[in-house]
Amino acid sequence: GEDVEQSLFLSVREGDSSVINCTYTDSSSTYLYWYKQEPGAGLQLLTYIFSNMDMKQDQRLTVLLNKKDKHLSLRIADTQTGDSAIYFCAESILYGNNRLAFGKGNQVVVIP
Amino acid sequence: DVKVTQSSRYLVKRTGEKVFLECVQDMDHENMFWYRQDPGLGLRLIYFSYDVKMKEKGDIPEGYSVSREKKERFSLILESASTNQTSMYLCATGAEGYTFGSGTRLTVV
Repeated sequence: GEDVEQSLFLSVREGDSSVINCTYTDSSSTYLYWYKQEPGAGLQLLTYIFSNMDMKQDQRLTVLLNKKDKHLSLRIADTQTGDSAIYFCAESILYGNNRLAFGKGNQVVVIP
Repeated sequence: DVKVTQSSRYLVKRTGEKVFLECVQDMDHENMFWYRQDPGLGLRLIYFSYDVKMKEKGDIPEGYSVSREKKERFSLILESASTNQTSMYLCATGAEGYTFGSGTRLTVV
């Protein structure tokens, strides 16, 4: 079955870079995603990467994908207090109508 | 923008009550999903539906049922609420990337 692993907690100083890591198991995933959840809210799609790409940059966000190791990372440059949230990675599962399998989430706390 | 609306942000119900959680999406998506979110466990899929009147069990369907009578509405039903169903419930819709509702925090006492 699918299994997506994430570390649970990261604290970072405002202005520094944050890196959140994720490993996944389904090598046939076509897309991999990063979601952000602010306190008391639902999940918001932050960015995604297609499986034939190694890197995707979107303003302060950089996604790196290592397919060989099934490793996905999200780097947030110049981390701001508004980046404090839980971040989930997710992989698409090709059976069962585009289901996504989510990691357990990584809490990021930005210290002013 | 796709909008996913969950009818309640907070609910408190008694053990044994029948509970309905409603979710409505406005973009004609076929796929809809119900997850529950618990600290340290992440998101776990309860049920999903890829068409009207179709439903599929997710990873933790026990104690839940669903209804999809119209394409835009996907309801999660707790037939007899129990305290271990106290959780945050999240509805989502979409294909390659989901759009989530704001969540319903359910407390069963």
